[in-house]
Amino acid sequence: AQSVTQLGSHVSVSEGALVLLRCNYSSSVPPYLFWYVQYPNQGLQLLLKYTSAATLVKGINGFEAEFKKSETSFHLTKPSAHMSDAAEYFCAVSLTGTASKLTFGTGTRLQVTL
Amino acid sequence: DTEVTQTPKHLVMGMTNKKSLKCEQHMGHRAMYWYKQKAKKPPELMFVYSYEKLSINESVPSRFSPECPNSSLLNLHLHALQPEDSALYLCASSQGLAGGDEQFFGPGTRLTVL
Repeated sequence: AQSVTQLGSHVSVSEGALVLLRCNYSSSVPPYLFWYVQYPNQGLQLLLKYTSAATLVKGINGFEAEFKKSETSFHLTKPSAHMSDAAEYFCAVSLTGTASKLTFGTGTRLQVTL
Repeated sequence: DTEVTQTPKHLVMGMTNKKSLKCEQHMGHRAMYWYKQKAKKPPELMFVYSYEKLSINESVPSRFSPECPNSSLLNLHLHALQPEDSALYLCASSQGLAGGDEQFFGPGTRLTVL
């Protein structure tokens, strides 16, 4: 069975500072990994996904994530936080060769302060 | 058109009411999903439809009844709900059921059961 763990339910950064949101996965087969963002009272929007084509994945809004098999990690980063980045971020995993069943982490709320 | 639409945006219903949630996509996707999301929690998968056939039912109570009339539409019929069923109900679609297929989410229906 696959699972993801997001360390830190709440992260606070200053505007302009580095954003680092942590995600570790557990999977017995090569996984697909996703980062979604959810703004208040809205649905989820895909930021980026890893599908084994490249370990460094660039997404929308200046976010990127690096797949590290040795560390079973897929951390999300952004060099400079903007106030509009304040939202809930979910890491998710699905497995190759199966139905597209996403397993979400518990989420990390990003707060951006002036 | 890369949008998943959901109606209504908000719904308040009593425990004896019958209501329906609607979801529509015109991206030609062949898989559609219902998720339930409680406050400050990740989405939980309820149902998956593939080519208009129910593919996954995550042991959801029978008071929730999904329906896929055609490849663009997905309904969720509600009957005799409980207050604990109050949540944000999200619809999603994907091209197929491959593990790496991105799921596109709608904005959700905020359901309150009195």
